Amino acid sequence: AQSVSQHNHHVILSEAASLELGCNYSYGGTVNLFWYVQYPGQHLQLLLKYFSGDPLVKGIKGFEAEFIKSKFSFNLRKPSVQWSDTAEYFCAVTRGGTASKLTFGTGTRLQVTL
Amino acid sequence: DAGVTQSPTHLIKTRGQHVTLRCSPISGHKSVSWYQQVLGQGPQFIFQYYEKEERGRGNFPDRFSARQFPNYSSELNVNALLLGDSALYLCASSEARVEAFFGQGTRLTVV
Repeated sequence: AQSVSQHNHHVILSEAASLELGCNYSYGGTVNLFWYVQYPGQHLQLLLKYFSGDPLVKGIKGFEAEFIKSKFSFNLRKPSVQWSDTAEYFCAVTRGGTASKLTFGTGTRLQVTL
Repeated sequence: DAGVTQSPTHLIKTRGQHVTLRCSPISGHKSVSWYQQVLGQGPQFIFQYYEKEERGRGNFPDRFSARQFPNYSSELNVNALLLGDSALYLCASSEARVEAFFGQGTRLTVV
């Protein structure tokens, strides 16, 4: 069975700082990778996804992620965070060909200070 | 466009009781999945239904069951509730190979 590890549980950054959240997965076959965000009091929303092709994926709100197959990683990055990026971020994986049966990491709580 | 809708939004039940949670997917989506999110954890996959058939089941006891109706809406049932069943229950709908869209969830508290 696949699993997802998010090593940063709580990250505090000042506005304009750069962000990188780590995500590693364990599964040897074809995977689809996702980053979801959960703003306070809101539902999970998709930031970006990787199915195939260019391993550098650009998502909404200036976020991007790079799929490094040899490292089983899919780290999320943003060059300059804003206060409104304060939220919980979840990395998730599915086996190739589906967006269902997501396996999530435990999440990273990002707090951006002014 | 209506997103994924779940009802009720909040629920308080007593240990040993039964609960039914409901989900309406986005129009046109035939796949519905259920997840349990315990405080401080990521969502855990419970069930997936596609075209009214169970297509996947997570590591949950038989007290958990679900079904999907001809209009693709879905119910999650939990029998003999335990304190540990307290969680946010999320429903997601999707089309194949496209993102899963999540509802706001049902916050279940078992006392």
